[in-house]
Amino acid sequence: GAVVSQHPSWVICKSGTSVKIECRSLDFQATTMFWYRQFPKQSLMLMATSNEGSKATYEQGVEKDKFLINHASLTLSTLTVTSAHPEDSSFYICSAPSDSSYEQYFGPGTRLTVT
Amino acid sequence: GDSVTQMEGPVTLSEEAFLTINCTYTATGYPSLFWYVQYPGEGLQLLLKATKADDKGSNKGFEATYRKETTSFHLEKGSVQVSDSAVYFCALSEGGGSEKLVFGKGTKLTVNP
Repeated sequence: GAVVSQHPSWVICKSGTSVKIECRSLDFQATTMFWYRQFPKQSLMLMATSNEGSKATYEQGVEKDKFLINHASLTLSTLTVTSAHPEDSSFYICSAPSDSSYEQYFGPGTRLTVT
Repeated sequence: GDSVTQMEGPVTLSEEAFLTINCTYTATGYPSLFWYVQYPGEGLQLLLKATKADDKGSNKGFEATYRKETTSFHLEKGSVQVSDSAVYFCALSEGGGSEKLVFGKGTKLTVNP
């Protein structure tokens, strides 16, 4: 099956700094990618839809100026958490649908810890 | 808005036991329904899906039937194995499998030998 990677898998940063998370589709092209956030023992919550060549679409309640999304190419989307705060600590997961199948492929996730 | 309510775990079973994880949904339209599985240290993987009422999705011995009348999509397996230990997520999509997903909270399953 198709593979989606994320980098880094785990990152620790200090309050007030910014951190970038990459999501790559390794063997297929993705014009759309989804970014989810998962709290402990909670479901995945969609944050935004990343669109190649256009602006991301954010879900209600998600601060677009805080969570910057850039879909730089057909295989790469980045999520930048700006001016991070401890409450931003979470597990961030991306996914990409394959045009040839009826499913989405998920990255392994990135654990962000803000101290 | 759309929502998915899933049986909360954790669930602990012995090998060869019967598994049921309940899932019900609320949706405005006619969604597609999915079960995703997350093995330790790995990303979510599609386990099975159903796109319309009365469809049965099946894979690796797991089954789930799309019940429109009860808005349910319960996951079942007749005989679980240790290798089935994982977190299982029920999800729906209004636009099909390539569109955004609404997830349940996940159910952690542990199967003991």
